[in-house]
Amino acid sequence: EAGVAQSPRYKIIEKRQSVAFWCNPISGHATLYWYQQILGQGPKLLIQFQNNGVVDDSQLPKDRFSAERLKGVDSTLKIQPAKLEDSAVYLCASSFSGAKETQYFGPGTRLLVL
Amino acid sequence: GENVEQHPSTLSVQEGDSAVIKCTYSDSASNYFPWYKQELGKGPQLIIDIRSNVGEKKDQRIAVTLNKTAKHFSLHITETQPEDSAVYFCAASRPGGSYIPTFGRGTSLIVHP
Repeated sequence: EAGVAQSPRYKIIEKRQSVAFWCNPISGHATLYWYQQILGQGPKLLIQFQNNGVVDDSQLPKDRFSAERLKGVDSTLKIQPAKLEDSAVYLCASSFSGAKETQYFGPGTRLLVL
Repeated sequence: GENVEQHPSTLSVQEGDSAVIKCTYSDSASNYFPWYKQELGKGPQLIIDIRSNVGEKKDQRIAVTLNKTAKHFSLHITETQPEDSAVYFCAASRPGGSYIPTFGRGTSLIVHP
């Protein structure tokens, strides 16, 4: 089966610019997660979707980050405007139902903000 | 919220040796503890997990132990091979309808041939 797809793989932008990341989860997976992984740290959950509804976005900096999963399949994560501290790898993961189910991670998008 | 501490941050072993990575957690309500392996340029991949109703779980060369009283759990890799070289993350999750893990900071394992 195809894995979680993410694009782009790399992005370099200047601070105050906008950027968007795309994720296509494994077919049939209802739950989708976006994580931020800063160099040398473990992934930190930004937002979790169940189908097209938000389950948890308590750690999403809502003044600059937004995410959507309009049709319950693909998802986009946007940062506007970007700050230097947003430099990180943004990982998307999906699972069948979310309740103690194995998460499958995509390869991530490496963002560098200059 | 949950806090997961992971040690060591770097572990260097010779091929064939064993490797042990330890994690502690703060939330006594956490009951699910997965371990992930992350290779360079890839996302984390689940390698083994344990739930709070068991104390140990094995899968070939990999084993995980859990001490609920002390709130710590460990990953054991025996007969290490160069392809085991990667960053390993532990995580802890509370019970409930939604699985939201808190990750440790990771351990970079280097296996020298």
